[in-house]
Formats: sequence, structure tokens, C-alpha cells
Amino acid sequence: DAKTTQPNSMESNEEEPVHLPCNHSTISGTDYIHWYRQLPSQGPEYVIHGLTSNVNNRMASLAIAEDRKSSTLILHRATLRDAAVYYCILRDNSFGNEKLTFGTGTRLTIIP
Amino acid sequence: KAGVTQTPRYLIKTRGQQVTLSCSPISGHRSVSWYQQTPGQGLQFLFEYFSETQRNKGNFPGRFSGRQFSNSRSEMNVSTLELGDSALYLCASSPTGRANEKLFFGSGTQLSVL
Repeated sequence: DAKTTQPNSMESNEEEPVHLPCNHSTISGTDYIHWYRQLPSQGPEYVIHGLTSNVNNRMASLAIAEDRKSSTLILHRATLRDAAVYYCILRDNSFGNEKLTFGTGTRLTIIP
Repeated sequence: KAGVTQTPRYLIKTRGQQVTLSCSPISGHRSVSWYQQTPGQGLQFLFEYFSETQRNKGNFPGRFSGRQFSNSRSEMNVSTLELGDSALYLCASSPTGRANEKLFFGSGTQLSVL
């Protein structure tokens, strides 16, 4: 099964961009790349997802490498509310069986 | 639109007992999936239900089971509790469970086994 690897922790200054990396070198062609974040005492919250092309939404951007073996979540202007654990997840149920692989998560600290 | 609701929020049980957790998905969502989150193992997929049928299952022992009702609400049961079952149990819902759909998570049930 495909695995994802993320740095355990990262720090960023408030109001600066943040780039959170995720490696998924054994990704299959039908795996979707999802990102979620989790605040203390809460369930994960959806951030963004994509398959092959870069994606943008109001929360963030997702940059997917051309070979799809890595991706980067980009928070354009970090705020204190962005401090959370960010999970990179691969999802594939194209053949009926759900394959859901969670990364270890990156704890993002925002410095005021 | 109400979010995913999990009850109870906290549970304390003793070894050997059984426990039932409940998850009410977002209205209109037919896929409900369950996850176990522990500090040591992170987030792990338990199973997924769609239209009252278990469609997918993770690598957990048979003590972990679930069901889904016709209104898409789901319950998860753990029998013969062990200390290692102490964890945050999360459920998530999505319209049909396809990999390109967002997952909407509840706040979880924190289970402590003494």
C-alpha cells in the first residue's frame, strides 16, 4: 500500500507563506491526494484535494509534482488560526476497496 | 446544514466491557467511515458503510464491528475492551464515499479503557 511521509513539525511566522511537504513515492495512478488539518480536541477538517493538477481554494493551494511522488500544501498567508496538525492522505477506491493511507502529520506552529 | 455528530463525547469503560459509539452523518450523506486515532499509531481506518452495507474494512480484529441504519446513521461496537483500545474514535461522512469527495469528520468520541 502507498505510504506518505511528512515532517513531524514546522514553524512559520504569522502572515508569511507556509509550504508543507508530503512524499508519496509509491502513489498509484488512481490515488487522490487529500489534505486535512486537526485542531486540538477536534476532528480533522478538510483543506484541499487533487489528482494530477495543482488546485486552489479559499483556504490553500495544492502543488502536485509532475511524477506525483510528492505534493506541497501552500498556505499563502499564515494566521494563528492555521496552527494545527496537517495530514496528507491518499485515497483510492477505484476498484471498490477503499485504500486510505494517512501520513504521520506535520504539527505547524505559527509564531506571532 | 448540521455537521457530523458523534455521541457520546467521552466514555470511560473497564477491560472486558463492550461499548457502542454513534455517528450521525451530514444530511444526504450515505457513506460513513470510522477511524481510530492514538498517539502511537496515528489515524487508522476501521471500516466504511454505505447504504447499510459494510463496503470496506481496515486491519482491525473482529471485536470491532459496526452497522448503518436506513437513515445513514452508524454505530460502532467494540466488544471485550482492552487497554489498547483507548483512543479517539472518529467518524466521517461523504455523499457516496468516492475518493474525490471531501470527508467531513465529527469531533470524535474519546474512549478510555481502565
